[in-house]
Amino acid sequence: DTEVTQTPKHLVMGMTNKKSLKCEQHMGHRAMYWYKQKAKKPPELMFVYSYEKLSINESVPSRFSPECPNSSLLNLHLHALQPEDSALYLCASSQEYGTSRETQYFGPGTRLLVL
Amino acid sequence: RKEVEQDPGPFNVPEGATVAFNCTYSNSASQSFFWYRQDCRKEPKLLMSVYSSGNEDGRFTAQLNRASQYISLLIRDSKLSDSATYLCVVNIRGSSASKIIFGSGTRLSIRP
Repeated sequence: DTEVTQTPKHLVMGMTNKKSLKCEQHMGHRAMYWYKQKAKKPPELMFVYSYEKLSINESVPSRFSPECPNSSLLNLHLHALQPEDSALYLCASSQEYGTSRETQYFGPGTRLLVL
Repeated sequence: RKEVEQDPGPFNVPEGATVAFNCTYSNSASQSFFWYRQDCRKEPKLLMSVYSSGNEDGRFTAQLNRASQYISLLIRDSKLSDSATYLCVVNIRGSSASKIIFGSGTRLSIRP
């Protein structure tokens, strides 16, 4: 089973709202990722967690705040977003990060619209 | 020069045709290579990992050429359901960190 789940599927929020995106995997993977994807563009890496510790932050604005409560869960907390943050937010996981076991499996994504 | 480059297409080919895409990478430290397909408004799905000897899965064949720094994907007997964007992904592993680079994708459209 190579399933990564994400909730919600769709989210509409105002610029003053606080919301959270959730991602879950039960494959025993120890690396989890957040990506942002705009239309007709490839996914852009935002964050990487390895063994529940933040390994990579690709200079993401602080209005995006990741959290890894345990090895199966990854959250992305959103606050004071801008309309240009509207995009598909993809979560992915892999067995490990930075090794040969880094094949990534993606969740279905959360389509975010910021008004 | 981009670290991973793909022809954006679109490739528009008839059903049953053979189509091939190339993806070039610039960093010789690149270690792992993958092809993903992405349908419109869906997530990327792993199509194939690319091994040094090349690998085949049914109608799909992937090859790696380290000397020329490219990977290729060949689709034989194409089906309507093969219409998608194909993303090339390269992992570069340094001594202390790993970097994941996505190509911009190649759009394929199969016509009846």
